[in-house]
Amino acid sequence: QQQVKQSPQSLIVQKGGISIINCAYENTAFDYFPWYQQFPGKGPALLIAIRPDVSEKKEGRFTISFNKSAKQFSLHIMDSQPGDSATYFCAASDMNRDDKIIFGKGTRLHILP
Amino acid sequence: KAGVTQTPRYLIKTRGQQVTLSCSPISGHRSVSWYQQTPGQGLQFLFEYFSETQRNKGNFPGRFSGRQFSNSRSEMNVSTLELGDSALYLCASSEGWRQFFGPGTRLTVL
Repeated sequence: QQQVKQSPQSLIVQKGGISIINCAYENTAFDYFPWYQQFPGKGPALLIAIRPDVSEKKEGRFTISFNKSAKQFSLHIMDSQPGDSATYFCAASDMNRDDKIIFGKGTRLHILP
Repeated sequence: KAGVTQTPRYLIKTRGQQVTLSCSPISGHRSVSWYQQTPGQGLQFLFEYFSETQRNKGNFPGRFSGRQFSNSRSEMNVSTLELGDSALYLCASSEGWRQFFGPGTRLTVL
């Protein structure tokens, strides 16, 4: 019940295309859903996050879509660029309990130039 | 503010040895979490410290331990190293919901 399942494991997208990464969770107590971006040799960096009171959050080319009833959320990268090539992690946490953040296994995204 | 710093950045040890990794959180952050990252297992939570107390713990053997000092700096220790402990060890400090990661310590066990 603590798992966060992320798919796909790897993704190749043409420059200018839309990259979509999906995550699903079981624990209905989760109320904070961040996405992290990690470049080789670096630690993950918080990209964008959403709470379940909204169905969508957009920051620049990055959008999180959230479906509370399906217990799913996804990251959309519009107009994908080669510089977006990185590993992306979704995560979830129950902030009311100061509980640990549960991470998905990651998606390795490669944007073709 | 300076980011999360971790030392050392790279470390090579042999089986059976022990190792201590250090993490300095962002100034003002009281929560420090540790993660092990490997290609096969992804990011696995080790433990979290808040105001010098362990607040959460992952599913790792007792060989993995940590502590936090009054200035919020944290250390993690791995005793009796095994080959499978080779990984990137990441430290993250938190301000509310936002978690900030350091660059990690790459540990290689030979």
